[in-house]
Formats: sequence, C-alpha cells, structure tokens
Amino acid sequence: AQTVTQSQPEMSVQEAETVTLSCTYDTSESNYYLFWYKQPPSRQMILVIRQEAYKQQNATENRFSVNFQKAAKSFSLKISDSQLGDTAMYFCALSYGNKLVFGAGTILRVKS
Amino acid sequence: KAGVTQTPRYLIKTRGQQVTLSCSPISGHRSVSWYQQTPGQGLQFLFEYFSETQRNKGNFPGRFSGRQFSNSRSEMNVSTLELGDSALYLCASSLVSAGDLGGPQYFGAGTRLSVL
Repeated sequence: AQTVTQSQPEMSVQEAETVTLSCTYDTSESNYYLFWYKQPPSRQMILVIRQEAYKQQNATENRFSVNFQKAAKSFSLKISDSQLGDTAMYFCALSYGNKLVFGAGTILRVKS
Repeated sequence: KAGVTQTPRYLIKTRGQQVTLSCSPISGHRSVSWYQQTPGQGLQFLFEYFSETQRNKGNFPGRFSGRQFSNSRSEMNVSTLELGDSALYLCASSLVSAGDLGGPQYFGAGTRLSVL
C-alpha cells in the first residue's frame, strides 16, 4: 500500500523568506509520480509542482522547487520569496495508476 | 481552455436521500477521478473513470457509485445518505492514455455536501 506522511501540521513564514515543507512516502513501486498541491481558503485545489520518480533532477517551477530523495523516499517543497498569496494548505501526493494518495496536509501561513 | 467544472457547488440533503454530483473535465481529458475530503479522514480516493470504464476504485461502500459518459463528463451518485457523507467532493481530470501510470490531475472547485 502507498502512504504519504506530512509531519508538519502547521508552519508560518515571514513574507519574502524561504520555507521548506516536508513529505515522506512509502511505495513498493519503482515508477510513480509525486505532486505538491495547494488548497487556499477558496478550497480550489491547485497543482504546484510535480516530479517523475525516474527523473533524478529536482523539479522547479518559478519560486517553488523540490528536493527529491528517492532512496530516502523523501519529497520536500521549498518556497522561496514567500508571498501572502502562498497562504494555504499544502498537500503532498503520490500517484500510481492515476490514483492520488494524499498526505494530511500542512497549513502554511505567510505573515507580513 | 475551461477548467474542471463541478455542479452544484453546494447541496443540502437529509439522511436516507440520494444525491448526484456532476463533473465536466477539461476538454480533451479522458480520465476523471473523484475524491472525498473531510476534516477527519482528509482526502480519500473514491474512483477513477477512463473512456466510460471504471479503472480504479477506492475503499468506499457500494452506496458510492459513478459513471462516465462518451463526452467524458462524469457523475457520482451516493444513495441512502448518512451523516458521515457530509464532505467536500472533488473531481479531477487528467490527460492520460490507457497505459499511463498517471500524470497531473486538475481539480474542480468541489461540491460541498451537507447531510442533515
């Protein structure tokens, strides 16, 4: 069975600073996808970034980047130059067979 | 391109009733998945449809069912509603082929179901 663990229920960061959200996962599959999704108070789930497990290079999307450690089954999200609009719940998710398994989420609050 | 559209946005039902939720995927997307989000259980996978066939199913009772039409639009039905079915139901579409392990899924705004 696939599982995803986010050990930080809540985090806060000052505007313009950098923050890292942690995620670990477990799967017996060798090929899979990993995602970070953002869910602001509007409840709309937004795709932030994705990583294909067979690619060693860490994915980057503007201010968002990941640190993917396949052997350690770790997939952390780094947000640089945090903005007030980044305030949201962030979910780490593992996909295999087009089924997403989500972590419990981390609430991120960006303070001015 | 229009995003994933879910209707209705809000629903209030009473125990024992049934409900049907609708989802229109992004144009060209053939895979539609449904998720239930609750404060206690978090986000849980219900089922996935691809080309009108259920391809994956989560661990939910048979009261939860779905279908997909030839235009890829999908409906989810919950019969004999229980208080515990109160949740945000999210639909997601994906541009995947038949043998794909899974690419990014794009979500609709959800249907908030309240069971009284």
